[in-house]
Amino acid sequence: QKEVEQNSGPLSVPEGAIASLNCTYSDRGSQSFFWYRQYSGKSPELIMFIYSNGDKEDGRFTAQLNKASQYVSLLIRDSQPSDSATYLCAVGFNAGGTSYGKLTFGQGTILTVHP
Amino acid sequence: NAGVMQNPRHLVRRRGQEARLRCSPMKGHSHVYWYRQLPEEGLKFMVYLQKENIIDESGMPKERFSAEFPKEGPSILRIQQVVRGDSAAYFCASSRGTEQFFGPGTRLTVL
Repeated sequence: QKEVEQNSGPLSVPEGAIASLNCTYSDRGSQSFFWYRQYSGKSPELIMFIYSNGDKEDGRFTAQLNKASQYVSLLIRDSQPSDSATYLCAVGFNAGGTSYGKLTFGQGTILTVHP
Repeated sequence: NAGVMQNPRHLVRRRGQEARLRCSPMKGHSHVYWYRQLPEEGLKFMVYLQKENIIDESGMPKERFSAEFPKEGPSILRIQQVVRGDSAAYFCASSRGTEQFFGPGTRLTVL
């Protein structure tokens, strides 16, 4: 079983729709959860992070965390063609408010938003 | 505020040569991480360093790979006697807390 698994893509949505990206993790000790966006040939860009159960909203993005189900998701509202990229889910530990370091990444989900 | 800087951006080496990849963290960041992304694969953690200390090297191959983050200067990832399987994108990330910010990466090609 992979430590971090993402829903297999590619995912294709029309412009203006909601894109839903899902991620499950196996280690119950995981404490910090991140979504990165990676355009082809570029480096990962941090777009959202969440530590507590529930929802966290930032503009068109909403991250949802359910630790009991070991599940984290990212919703993108009003999807735009510029959102087309690979989305990476990452899981880490956070000890005492300082960085533990290691992030474990999922394999990524390719999102295509078509006009 | 400049982001994470990496150089070179592209590096070509022949089998058996050495590769040195450099990373300067964001200003105020004291934590540096190296990740590798093989073609068609995900990002894999390699090593986590703070100034003059290796904190976690659980992702580093046992041979040929080493990393350092000296008191002065950038962090260095060194690959000795490169092989074709080392061809990949190597990303450095830095943090002050939990959130890690990535540099542009070094694309290593081994001929």
